[in-house]
Amino acid sequence: DAKTTQPPSMDCAEGRAANLPCNHSTISGNEYVYWYRQIHSQGPQYIIHGLKNNETNEMASLIITEDRKSSTLILPHATLRDTAVYYCIVRPPDSNYQLIWGAGTKLIIKP
Amino acid sequence: KAGVTQTPRYLIKTRGQQVTLSCSPISGHRSVSWYQQTPGQGLQFLFEYFSETQRNKGNFPGRFSGRQFSNSRSEMNVSTLELGDSALYLCASSLRTGSADTQYFGPGTRLTVL
Repeated sequence: DAKTTQPPSMDCAEGRAANLPCNHSTISGNEYVYWYRQIHSQGPQYIIHGLKNNETNEMASLIITEDRKSSTLILPHATLRDTAVYYCIVRPPDSNYQLIWGAGTKLIIKP
Repeated sequence: KAGVTQTPRYLIKTRGQQVTLSCSPISGHRSVSWYQQTPGQGLQFLFEYFSETQRNKGNFPGRFSGRQFSNSRSEMNVSTLELGDSALYLCASSLRTGSADTQYFGPGTRLTVL
């Protein structure tokens, strides 16, 4: 079973920041939080990952709460091309390379 | 750097046939994982190969198999196809450094079983 809980869908206006929440209340101390997105029928695209600290890259920012039980992915200036299903995944850094996927959040960017 | 490539992109087969899908990882990546995505079950892990050895396996029947070559390219095979095998098959590659190791996905192969 997926270790994360995400809202099934969200809307966001184009040009605004999209904030996607993820609950991972059973996360262990050495487990990373990964975010991927999947645009219709394409392969999942890696966005960002983090362990404890907040992270930022050219695509997004990841905010992880101090207790690590939840996180938020922020797309700072959403465009129509950001419409996709966003997946939050928790995984350990060891040799188990199996990603366990939940249902994700369908993000719709509206003009 | 070129991304993960998968061939073919689309495939139509009939029940009972077998199929072989191919995946070329990002240059330098030695781990290749395979996933199946269906509308009903979502994304599910099939298996992972590293250095030509299967290191991890998901909960799929023995009809699903794979292999990895010395150049890290991987193939997966599905024998005796069933209608339920219709899915998007995704391949992902990674460096497998043992730390936070990111998997990068290919575009997938869309298999339709008639």
